[in-house]
Amino acid sequence: EDKVVQSPLSLVVHEGDTVTLNCSYEVTNFRSLLWYKQEKKAPTFLFMLTSSGIEKKSGRLSSILDKKELFSILNITATQTGDSAIYLCAVRSNAGNMLTFGGGTRLMVKP
Amino acid sequence: KAGVTQTPRYLIKTRGQQVTLSCSPISGHRSVSWYQQTPGQGLQFLFEYFSETQRNKGNFPGRFSGRQFSNSRSEMNVSTLELGDSALYLCASSFQVTNNEQFFGPGTRLTVL
Repeated sequence: EDKVVQSPLSLVVHEGDTVTLNCSYEVTNFRSLLWYKQEKKAPTFLFMLTSSGIEKKSGRLSSILDKKELFSILNITATQTGDSAIYLCAVRSNAGNMLTFGGGTRLMVKP
Repeated sequence: KAGVTQTPRYLIKTRGQQVTLSCSPISGHRSVSWYQQTPGQGLQFLFEYFSETQRNKGNFPGRFSGRQFSNSRSEMNVSTLELGDSALYLCASSFQVTNNEQFFGPGTRLTVL
């Protein structure tokens, strides 16, 4: 059974801090790893990673995948209160679009 | 481009009833997946449709079913509702069934009393 584990479970930081969120996985046939941000309702797509070592970047957010060690990290620099959310990691491991999600990391950014 | 839309946004039902939820994917997207989100179990995959065919199914009882229409809109149905079916039901659309990004709709909050 595919498994995705995120750490830490929750995190409280102050504005301006840099945070690193972790996602490790055990899947039988890895195809891609996706990061989402969930505030009130719908998860918002952040990144999709398929290749090891290639950093994806969007503004203050970046992510990288290590397929040998089976993990990914999501970095947020110069955090803002608007970054407060649950960050979800998901892995696609078979044909089709079925995603297996981790439990999420709840990030709170204090002013 | 309009995003994924889901209707209704909120629903209250009683045990034993049935419910139908609707999802319209992003224009041009042909793959629709459904997920259930609860505080205890997190986000869990229900099923996926592409070109009106179910491609994958998660580990849910037969009370949960779905379908997709020729315009890619999808519906999911839950029969004989149980209290544990109370959840946020999320729909996600992708362009195809290959390795594409998936975009989520706002969800339908179902409460079973």
